[in-house]
Amino acid sequence: DIQMTQSPSSVSASVGDRVTITCRASQGISSWLAWYQQKPGKAPKVLIYGASSLQSGVPSRFSGSGSGTDFTLTISSLQPEDFATYYCQQTNYFPLTFGGGTKVEIK
Amino acid sequence: QITLKESGPTLVRPTQTLTLTCTFSGFALSTTGVGVGWIRQPPGRALEWLAFIYWDDDKRYSPSLKSRLTITKDTSKSQVVLTMIDMDPVDTGTYYCAHRPAAARPLDYWGQGTLVAVSS
Repeated sequence: DIQMTQSPSSVSASVGDRVTITCRASQGISSWLAWYQQKPGKAPKVLIYGASSLQSGVPSRFSGSGSGTDFTLTISSLQPEDFATYYCQQTNYFPLTFGGGTKVEIK
Repeated sequence: QITLKESGPTLVRPTQTLTLTCTFSGFALSTTGVGVGWIRQPPGRALEWLAFIYWDDDKRYSPSLKSRLTITKDTSKSQVVLTMIDMDPVDTGTYYCAHRPAAARPLDYWGQGTLVAVSS
Protein backbone atom coordinates (compact mmCIF):
# COMPACT_ATOMS: atom_id res chain seq x y z
CA ASP A 1 0.00 0.00 0.00
CA ILE A 2 1.09 3.58 -0.61
CA GLN A 3 1.17 5.53 2.65
CA MET A 4 0.16 9.19 2.56
CA THR A 5 1.59 11.37 5.33
CA GLN A 6 0.26 14.87 5.90
CA SER A 7 1.82 17.65 7.93
CA PRO A 8 1.08 19.42 10.07
CA SER A 9 -1.80 17.55 11.70
CA SER A 10 -3.26 20.90 12.71
CA VAL A 11 -2.54 24.56 12.07
CA SER A 12 -3.88 27.71 13.71
CA ALA A 13 -4.24 30.66 11.39
CA SER A 14 -6.04 33.97 11.03
CA VAL A 15 -8.30 35.23 8.27
CA GLY A 16 -6.09 36.53 5.48
CA ASP A 17 -3.14 34.27 6.31
CA ARG A 18 -1.39 32.12 3.75
CA VAL A 19 -1.62 28.45 4.75
CA THR A 20 0.43 25.59 3.36
CA ILE A 21 -0.23 21.90 3.95
CA THR A 22 2.10 19.17 2.76
CA CYS A 23 1.48 15.56 1.78
CA ARG A 24 4.16 12.96 1.20
CA ALA A 25 3.64 9.63 -0.55
CA SER A 26 5.67 6.58 0.47
CA GLN A 27 6.46 5.96 -3.20
CA GLY A 28 6.18 7.95 -6.39
CA ILE A 29 2.64 8.62 -7.59
CA SER A 30 3.40 11.00 -10.47
CA SER A 31 0.68 13.66 -10.25
CA TRP A 32 -2.12 11.35 -9.15
CA LEU A 33 -3.05 13.33 -6.07
CA ALA A 34 -6.26 14.99 -4.94
CA TRP A 35 -7.04 17.34 -2.08
CA TYR A 36 -10.37 17.35 -0.25
CA GLN A 37 -11.95 19.73 2.25
CA GLN A 38 -14.25 18.40 4.96
CA LYS A 39 -16.35 20.44 7.35
CA PRO A 40 -17.85 18.94 10.52
CA GLY A 41 -20.79 16.66 9.81
CA LYS A 42 -20.37 16.98 6.06
CA ALA A 43 -18.98 14.83 3.27
CA PRO A 44 -15.58 15.68 1.82
CA LYS A 45 -15.45 18.00 -1.20
CA VAL A 46 -12.74 17.75 -3.85
CA LEU A 47 -10.66 20.90 -4.30
CA ILE A 48 -7.69 19.84 -6.41
CA TYR A 49 -7.00 16.82 -8.63
CA GLY A 50 -4.02 15.82 -10.73
CA ALA A 51 -1.93 17.56 -8.03
CA SER A 52 -2.57 21.03 -9.43
CA SER A 53 -5.88 21.17 -11.34
CA LEU A 54 -8.59 23.20 -9.66
CA GLN A 55 -11.96 21.44 -9.47
CA SER A 56 -14.77 23.38 -11.11
CA GLY A 57 -16.35 25.89 -8.75
CA VAL A 58 -13.48 25.96 -6.26
CA PRO A 59 -12.11 29.44 -5.43
CA SER A 60 -8.78 30.34 -6.98
CA ARG A 61 -7.20 31.00 -3.57
CA PHE A 62 -6.73 27.23 -3.41
CA SER A 63 -3.79 25.84 -5.33
CA GLY A 64 -1.84 22.61 -5.45
CA SER A 65 1.66 21.68 -6.53
CA GLY A 66 4.11 18.83 -6.54
CA SER A 67 4.78 15.53 -8.24
CA GLY A 68 6.38 12.23 -7.40
CA THR A 69 6.29 11.98 -3.62
CA ASP A 70 5.94 15.55 -2.30
CA PHE A 71 2.85 17.69 -2.67
CA THR A 72 1.52 20.97 -1.31
CA LEU A 73 -1.89 22.55 -0.88
CA THR A 74 -1.82 26.32 -0.46
CA ILE A 75 -4.61 28.65 0.59
CA SER A 76 -3.38 32.08 -0.44
CA SER A 77 -5.64 34.16 1.80
CA LEU A 78 -7.59 32.21 4.39
CA GLN A 79 -11.32 32.97 4.52
CA PRO A 80 -13.75 32.21 7.37
CA GLU A 81 -15.35 29.41 5.36
CA ASP A 82 -11.97 27.69 4.91
CA PHE A 83 -11.71 26.52 8.51
CA ALA A 84 -12.04 22.78 8.01
CA THR A 85 -10.03 19.57 7.79
CA TYR A 86 -8.09 18.85 4.61
CA TYR A 87 -7.15 15.42 3.26
CA CYS A 88 -4.87 14.33 0.46
CA GLN A 89 -5.53 11.12 -1.48
CA GLN A 90 -3.54 9.28 -4.09
CA THR A 91 -6.01 8.48 -6.86
CA ASN A 92 -4.36 5.95 -9.15
CA TYR A 93 -3.10 2.96 -7.16
CA PHE A 94 -5.43 0.64 -5.30
CA PRO A 95 -5.97 0.80 -2.38
CA LEU A 96 -6.77 4.50 -2.81
CA THR A 97 -5.17 5.77 0.37
CA PHE A 98 -5.90 9.02 2.19
CA GLY A 99 -3.62 11.10 4.37
CA GLY A 100 -4.34 11.52 8.06
CA GLY A 101 -5.83 14.99 7.66
CA THR A 102 -4.85 18.55 8.58
CA LYS A 103 -7.23 20.60 10.69
CA VAL A 104 -7.14 24.32 9.97
CA GLU A 105 -8.30 26.15 13.08
CA ILE A 106 -8.99 29.75 13.95
CA LYS A 107 -6.11 31.49 15.70
CA GLN B 1 -26.98 16.74 -11.51
CA ILE B 2 -25.26 13.84 -9.79
CA THR B 3 -26.52 12.78 -6.37
CA LEU B 4 -25.79 9.78 -4.17
CA LYS B 5 -27.46 8.67 -0.97
CA GLU B 6 -26.50 5.93 1.45
CA SER B 7 -29.06 3.85 3.33
CA GLY B 8 -28.89 1.05 5.83
CA PRO B 9 -29.10 0.26 9.54
CA THR B 10 -27.93 2.76 12.13
CA LEU B 11 -27.17 0.04 14.70
CA VAL B 12 -25.57 -3.34 14.13
CA ARG B 13 -24.70 -5.97 16.74
CA PRO B 14 -21.18 -7.38 16.93
CA THR B 15 -20.61 -10.35 14.59
CA GLN B 16 -23.59 -9.36 12.43
CA THR B 17 -23.43 -8.44 8.75
CA LEU B 18 -23.82 -4.84 7.62
CA THR B 19 -25.55 -4.15 4.31
CA LEU B 20 -25.43 -0.63 2.92
CA THR B 21 -27.06 0.63 -0.25
CA CYS B 22 -25.93 3.58 -2.31
CA THR B 23 -28.72 4.89 -4.55
CA PHE B 24 -27.59 7.36 -7.15
CA SER B 25 -28.92 9.53 -9.95
CA GLY B 26 -27.50 11.76 -12.66
CA PHE B 27 -25.14 9.17 -14.13
CA ALA B 28 -25.15 5.60 -15.35
CA LEU B 29 -22.85 2.97 -13.93
CA SER B 30 -22.81 1.44 -17.39
CA THR B 31 -20.85 4.42 -18.78
CA THR B 32 -17.26 3.57 -19.68
CA GLY B 33 -14.81 4.52 -16.95
CA VAL B 34 -17.34 5.41 -14.28
CA GLY B 35 -17.12 3.88 -10.82
CA VAL B 36 -18.61 4.09 -7.35
CA GLY B 37 -16.64 3.65 -4.16
CA TRP B 38 -17.24 3.31 -0.43
CA ILE B 39 -15.26 5.22 2.17
CA ARG B 40 -15.71 5.25 5.95
CA GLN B 41 -14.70 7.55 8.77
CA PRO B 42 -14.61 6.57 12.46
CA PRO B 43 -15.71 9.38 14.78
CA GLY B 44 -13.01 12.07 14.93
CA ARG B 45 -10.66 10.14 12.67
CA ALA B 46 -9.43 10.11 9.10
CA LEU B 47 -11.07 8.80 5.94
CA GLU B 48 -10.52 5.16 5.00
CA TRP B 49 -11.16 3.82 1.51
CA LEU B 50 -13.02 0.49 1.52
CA ALA B 51 -14.08 -0.72 -1.91
CA PHE B 52 -14.73 0.31 -5.48
CA ILE B 53 -16.73 -1.04 -8.41
CA TYR B 54 -16.27 -0.04 -12.03
CA TRP B 55 -18.74 0.23 -14.89
CA ASP B 56 -17.47 -3.12 -16.24
CA ASP B 57 -17.97 -4.86 -12.86
CA ASP B 58 -14.28 -4.76 -12.00
CA LYS B 59 -14.09 -4.70 -8.20
CA ARG B 60 -11.33 -3.53 -5.85
CA TYR B 61 -11.10 -3.88 -2.08
CA SER B 62 -9.01 -2.58 0.79
CA PRO B 63 -6.48 -5.38 1.43
CA SER B 64 -6.97 -5.17 5.19
CA LEU B 65 -10.74 -5.67 4.87
CA LYS B 66 -10.98 -7.73 1.71
CA SER B 67 -12.05 -10.93 3.46
CA ARG B 68 -15.05 -9.12 4.99
CA LEU B 69 -16.27 -6.98 2.10
CA THR B 70 -18.42 -7.56 -0.97
CA ILE B 71 -19.43 -4.84 -3.40
CA THR B 72 -22.06 -5.30 -6.09
CA LYS B 73 -24.02 -3.12 -8.47
CA ASP B 74 -27.53 -3.13 -9.89
CA THR B 75 -27.36 -0.90 -12.92
CA SER B 76 -31.09 -1.06 -13.58
CA LYS B 77 -31.84 0.23 -10.08
CA SER B 78 -28.91 2.70 -10.02
CA GLN B 79 -27.63 1.13 -6.83
CA VAL B 80 -24.38 -0.12 -5.39
CA VAL B 81 -24.46 -2.40 -2.36
CA LEU B 82 -21.68 -2.96 0.16
CA THR B 83 -21.78 -5.84 2.61
CA MET B 84 -19.38 -6.20 5.51
CA ILE B 85 -19.44 -9.37 7.58
CA ASP B 86 -18.43 -9.96 11.19
CA MET B 87 -18.96 -6.40 12.38
CA ASP B 88 -17.00 -5.15 15.39
CA PRO B 89 -17.28 -1.99 17.51
CA VAL B 90 -14.16 -0.63 15.76
CA ASP B 91 -16.23 -0.55 12.56
CA THR B 92 -18.38 2.22 14.04
CA GLY B 93 -18.36 5.34 11.90
CA THR B 94 -19.86 7.24 9.00
CA TYR B 95 -19.97 5.35 5.71
CA TYR B 96 -19.93 7.30 2.45
CA CYS B 97 -20.40 6.32 -1.16
CA ALA B 98 -18.89 8.45 -3.90
CA HIS B 99 -18.75 8.78 -7.69
CA ARG B 100 -15.59 8.61 -9.74
CA PRO B 101 -15.87 9.82 -13.34
CA ALA B 102 -12.88 7.95 -14.76
CA ALA B 103 -9.77 6.03 -13.80
CA ALA B 104 -7.28 8.01 -11.70
CA ARG B 105 -9.76 10.86 -11.21
CA PRO B 106 -10.86 11.94 -7.74
CA LEU B 107 -14.12 11.14 -6.00
CA ASP B 108 -16.05 14.14 -7.24
CA TYR B 109 -19.54 13.57 -5.84
CA TRP B 110 -20.24 12.14 -2.41
CA GLY B 111 -23.33 11.03 -0.55
CA GLN B 112 -24.20 12.67 2.76
CA GLY B 113 -22.97 9.63 4.67
CA THR B 114 -24.71 7.26 7.03
CA LEU B 115 -23.64 6.72 10.64
CA VAL B 116 -23.38 3.10 11.68
CA ALA B 117 -22.86 2.12 15.30
CA VAL B 118 -21.72 -1.35 16.26
CA SER B 119 -22.75 -2.20 19.78
CA SER B 120 -24.36 -4.96 21.77
